[in-house]
Amino acid sequence: GAVVSQHPSWVICKSGTSVKIECRSLDFQATTMFWYRQFPKQSLMLMATSNEGSKATYEQGVEKDKFLINHASLTLSTLTVTSAHPEDSSFYICSARDQGRQSDTQYFGPGTRLTVL
Amino acid sequence: AQTVTQSQPEMSVQEAETVTLSCTYDTSENNYYLFWYKQPPSRQMILVIRQEAYKQQNATENRFSVNFQKAAKSFSLKISDSQLGDTAMYFCAFRTSGTYKYIFGTGTRLKVLA
Repeated sequence: GAVVSQHPSWVICKSGTSVKIECRSLDFQATTMFWYRQFPKQSLMLMATSNEGSKATYEQGVEKDKFLINHASLTLSTLTVTSAHPEDSSFYICSARDQGRQSDTQYFGPGTRLTVL
Repeated sequence: AQTVTQSQPEMSVQEAETVTLSCTYDTSENNYYLFWYKQPPSRQMILVIRQEAYKQQNATENRFSVNFQKAAKSFSLKISDSQLGDTAMYFCAFRTSGTYKYIFGTGTRLKVLA
């Protein structure tokens, strides 16, 4: 089946630094990827839609200057958390839409746990 | 606004028994898709089952089946012959046919007891 990877799986950083998280579709092309945030024991909240070759679309309340998204190729989207603060600590999950399949299903990455000290 | 509601924060079931997880949603759209995802302790989201709203027949995947009631906007998941590996967080999700954005419910934590 389709596989989506994320790197790193976990990261600890100091307050004020920036952190980049990569999301890759390993065996399919994804013109559209999605970034979610999940707080402990809570649901997934969509942050933004990442479109290959164009600007990302952010959900209401998500700061686009803080969460920079770059979708430079059909298999890679990156999320950069700029000037991270402890409140940004969370679990970040990406998903990729496999439009090549008839079912048009989204596949999720394993997530990245970010801890900001 | 479109919403997804899971009213059971936690459930438990004995191994080999059957359990049903509830999900209701609200939308004014006619064409949409519904999903159940499983999130085990590893946090990897795994698709369990999907249902197209235009299909009257309930989807089935091995031990997993749904009861889709379009008029009632209800989409429950039935797990038969529960196994220890079914222990996980289960999320109900919704998307319209015109967008690929998912709306997730708050989740139901299922524990299968030996």
